[in-house]
Amino acid sequence: GENVEQHPSTLSVQEGDSAVIKCTYSDSASNYFPWYKQELGKRPQLIIDIRSNVGEKKDQRIAVTLNKTAKHFSLHITETQPEDSAVYFCAATYTGNQFYFGTGTSLTVIP
Amino acid sequence: NAGVMQNPRHLVRRRGQEARLRCSPMKGHSHVYWYRQLPEEGLKFMVYLQKENIIDESGMPKERFSAEFPKEGPSILRIQQVVRGDSAAYFCASSPSRGSYEQYFGPGTRLTVT
Repeated sequence: GENVEQHPSTLSVQEGDSAVIKCTYSDSASNYFPWYKQELGKRPQLIIDIRSNVGEKKDQRIAVTLNKTAKHFSLHITETQPEDSAVYFCAATYTGNQFYFGTGTSLTVIP
Repeated sequence: NAGVMQNPRHLVRRRGQEARLRCSPMKGHSHVYWYRQLPEEGLKFMVYLQKENIIDESGMPKERFSAEFPKEGPSILRIQQVVRGDSAAYFCASSPSRGSYEQYFGPGTRLTVT
């Protein structure tokens, strides 16, 4: 099956700086890569996703890039705000059914 | 349009008891997925169900765990004879169709085994 690795496990940035979280995947058949934000004690919420036929996708301060050759994808958050503090999970799937999740990155934005 | 509902939100069971976790998918969704999240870990896939069918249970432990999604009513994840290692957050997600790629998560049930 698919194996998704995520780095770093913790990340602290000053408010206004950028944050980058990276994930690698093992199965070249994976074709959908969502990112979820999970605040403490709450449900994971989809914040952005990318399909394998696209190299980059942007939504306001959030962007995701995908390198299919290297089998890695990254989440970029610009102009970080304290409310961006949360745990972020990447995931990959090739069926659309079973998602394989990374181990999460705990992001802290320091005011 | 209500989101994915799970109940109970918190469940405490003694070792050896049974735990029943319920998940009601979003309106119009007929596909349900269960994931387990151990403390400070990512979500691990357990099982994928469609109404009255188990499609993929490759992530389910072989013993004590079972899942169903009847024609009427919520999906149920059942854990028999719970052990301390079963303590985790259990999330379900739903999607409108097979392979739709969008999964919407419920708030989770936090199971504590004492």
